[in-house]
Amino acid sequence: GAGVSQSPSNKVTEKGKDVELRCDPISGHTALYWYRQSLGQGLEFLIYFQGNSAPDKSGLPSDRFSAERTGGSVSTLTIQRTQQEDSAVYLCASSLAGNGYTFGSGTRLTVV
Amino acid sequence: SQQGEEDPQALSIQEGENATMNCSYKTSINNLQWYRQNSGRGLVHLILIRSNEREKHSGRLRVTLDTSKKSSSLLITASRAADTASYFCATDPNQAGTALIFGKGTTLSVSS
Repeated sequence: GAGVSQSPSNKVTEKGKDVELRCDPISGHTALYWYRQSLGQGLEFLIYFQGNSAPDKSGLPSDRFSAERTGGSVSTLTIQRTQQEDSAVYLCASSLAGNGYTFGSGTRLTVV
Repeated sequence: SQQGEEDPQALSIQEGENATMNCSYKTSINNLQWYRQNSGRGLVHLILIRSNEREKHSGRLRVTLDTSKKSSSLLITASRAADTASYFCATDPNQAGTALIFGKGTTLSVSS
């Protein structure tokens, strides 16, 4: 597609429920990244996929967070047993190696 | 971990004035990038400067990089109300397979 597409744009969930966030990167971009941003804060790195290499999961805050990238394209970020501190905007980006990132519009997650 | 630190945290100017934002970082880098964010959603890539470059221009944007001081500046000339946004620097560490590390951003407000 023309840009990075994220869905849903907004998600309200009850504490303890699981959520899945989807990212559809730019076709041909080999790298895909997930970040999250709490209100008024900078971007916190979560996970990075590069081609067929093992993903860099070093930013995932707990084992409740996981992500996969199927067929080198679409990625899903899953948060299990959501907590109120998981409330944030989750941003996905894709890039070609060595170039700037193209970000999606994000998913605003609210855990109530 | 937070690599880039922007300064100031917030900046208010009048239309037509220049805006200067600074970024300091800690480790060696391949490149440094500046992004803009409106309304807390997706970021837009503005400019990338490589570690062997000292200055780069793009329209009304001028970026400098001083690797000896581990610092960069973003200058927006002749600012407009539409430049109101948050601006983030991001460093690409000199380490293969590492994602960009973002600072906390500078919030720029341009009043007409």
